[in-house]
Amino acid sequence: ETGVTQSPTHLIKTRGQQVTLRCSSQSGHNTVSWYQQALGQGPQFIFQYYREEENGRGNFPPRFSGLQFPNYSSELNVNALELDDSALYLCASSLEDLNTEAFFGQGTRLTVV
Amino acid sequence: RKEVEQDPGPFNVPEGATVAFNCTYSNSASQSFFWYRQDCRKEPKLLMSVYSSGNEDGRFTAQLNRASQYISLLIRDSKLSDSATYLCVVNRGDYKLSFGAGTTVTVRA
Repeated sequence: ETGVTQSPTHLIKTRGQQVTLRCSSQSGHNTVSWYQQALGQGPQFIFQYYREEENGRGNFPPRFSGLQFPNYSSELNVNALELDDSALYLCASSLEDLNTEAFFGQGTRLTVV
Repeated sequence: RKEVEQDPGPFNVPEGATVAFNCTYSNSASQSFFWYRQDCRKEPKLLMSVYSSGNEDGRFTAQLNRASQYISLLIRDSKLSDSATYLCVVNRGDYKLSFGAGTTVTVRA
């Protein structure tokens, strides 16, 4: 077990709806990154939060947004869901130095219908 | 061009065989390199970091060629439990990890 937990594990939403995914980071880790993994693809970087601030963003539209809380847990919010948003959403917890290991949660599998 | 490219496989090998595969990366400024393992419908887990001099971890050997910008992974004496998707991961020293699409390995009895 990595100590990184995500909720919910599975979710079905309708196109146009909004969704919030949650992640609790490993104890002592101050950095949380979110990734989207479509079927048959590698994880794609969405954004990273470090000490409650967005620290970097991948090539995702503004309807993907996030938060990090003082306890370093994090949320990923997606508005106006599209069918192509169906994917496994992974949260990775780490120290700020990415030369060390990033620990992934088990993911949230989102299906948009 | 994708930042990290891998041969998707699948590599279908018998138990006890040796299997090897590569990935290439596009950014010459990349600083850290990793192999992650992902089992079906599970999260990625770090298999090993890859160092410039090459490194081994039991049956697994990783090599890095900075001049040609490729990374390799070799698995000796394959076990059934080695069946998984192996993700090549690169960090250029900033905030994100860049993943390849993965190489699928199936070890058969």
